[in-house]
Amino acid sequence: GESVGLHLPTLSVQEGDNSIINCAYSNSASDYFIWYKQESGKGPQFIIDIRSNMDKRQGQRVTVLLNKTVKHLSLQIAATQPGDSAVYFCAEIIGTSYGKLTFGQGTILTVHP
Amino acid sequence: DTEVTQTPKHLVMGMTNKKSLKCEQHMGHRAMYWYKQKAKKPPELMFVYSYEKLSINESVPSRFSPECPNSSLLNLHLHALQPEDSALYLCASRLAGTYNEQFFGPGTRLTVL
Repeated sequence: GESVGLHLPTLSVQEGDNSIINCAYSNSASDYFIWYKQESGKGPQFIIDIRSNMDKRQGQRVTVLLNKTVKHLSLQIAATQPGDSAVYFCAEIIGTSYGKLTFGQGTILTVHP
Repeated sequence: DTEVTQTPKHLVMGMTNKKSLKCEQHMGHRAMYWYKQKAKKPPELMFVYSYEKLSINESVPSRFSPECPNSSLLNLHLHALQPEDSALYLCASRLAGTYNEQFFGPGTRLTVL
């Protein structure tokens, strides 16, 4: 079936490096994409979102890129810090679905001091 | 108040017990969600309530029974669970409309013995 998935299950970086987490999706009807961060023992926390009519959106230290041609989504974290260590999930929403989120498999980001 | 709260934080129950999980938000959100998350996996949608009406049931077994008594509260009643139902149960809420993020609670860690 159609799903959202990730290329890399784990990513290790040094503090201060830039991190890039990738996500592939297959449902061309998706309207909206969200990146969530989940720390151990906590619920997912919103990081940044992007609508399907955009190709880039920037937040504080984070940028999301959307390439609809190849159905690819990425999250860039600038100057990664140890507090960024967590599991990162991409999620997609189809507009008519009561906001139903379909999550990707997740990437574990580990930041070494 | 900009958070989703869940109680209890941890719950241990036997297969013959009846228990309930509670979720509360005071952000005026009219869509509320229950997700189940197993270790090292993404959250999986169970139920969606929109304006206090059950809108989506993702073929969840009847031993899980959701209830939305009012626009701020969401319950999940548990009865005759199996050990494989042990997981983190997450509640989320959002404003109606496509381009609105879901806010997640911290979850209830459920163990079924």
